[in-house]
Amino acid sequence: GAVVSQHPSRVICKSGTSVKIECRSLDFQATTMFWYRQFPKQSLMLMATSNEGSKATYEQGVEKDKFLINHASLTLSTLTVTSAHPEDSSFYICSARVRTGGLTEAFFGQGTRLTVV
Amino acid sequence: GIQVEQSPPDLILQEGANSTLRCNFSDSVNNLQWFHQNPWGQLINLFYIPSGTKQNGRLSATTVATERYSLLYISSSQTTDSGVYFCAVGAGTYKYIFGTGTRLKVLA
Repeated sequence: GAVVSQHPSRVICKSGTSVKIECRSLDFQATTMFWYRQFPKQSLMLMATSNEGSKATYEQGVEKDKFLINHASLTLSTLTVTSAHPEDSSFYICSARVRTGGLTEAFFGQGTRLTVV
Repeated sequence: GIQVEQSPPDLILQEGANSTLRCNFSDSVNNLQWFHQNPWGQLINLFYIPSGTKQNGRLSATTVATERYSLLYISSSQTTDSGVYFCAVGAGTYKYIFGTGTRLKVLA
């Protein structure tokens, strides 16, 4: 299957600082990528849709000024958590869809565990 | 929006047992996948199955789109099957809505 690589896998930052998470499609081009957040023992919640060369689309309730998304190339999307606070501590996962023979299967990165202290 | 419910929420099995996980969704969908989330958080693709039946080794899945449910069968379970199983559905767009998950623990 297709490979989506996410970096870093784990990050600890101080409250008030910003953290950037990268999501790369390694063997395919992705005009659209998706960012999810998962709190402990909960399901994944879609945060935003990242569109190459244009603005991201945010889900209701997600602060676009806090979670900055940039999709500058067909293989890279970044999520920057600005002025992070302890409540932003969570597991962030990116995804891209691959179209093969009429199917559009989603593949996920390894995830980034963010801890804000 | 579409609601996706999975059952059971928790399941404990003895190694070698079989199980069926269910995913119910509230509206028509044109994309559906099953994932296994391992203890490190990685989502492993199991099946892309918006309709029909597929099998891969000890795992198989069936989606009855007209009745808005999908089933994941695990046979001869192993301790490595432990983790959380999610179904995710999409309708008309490429974004997914994830189900509530089933937390599986297989005992040796």
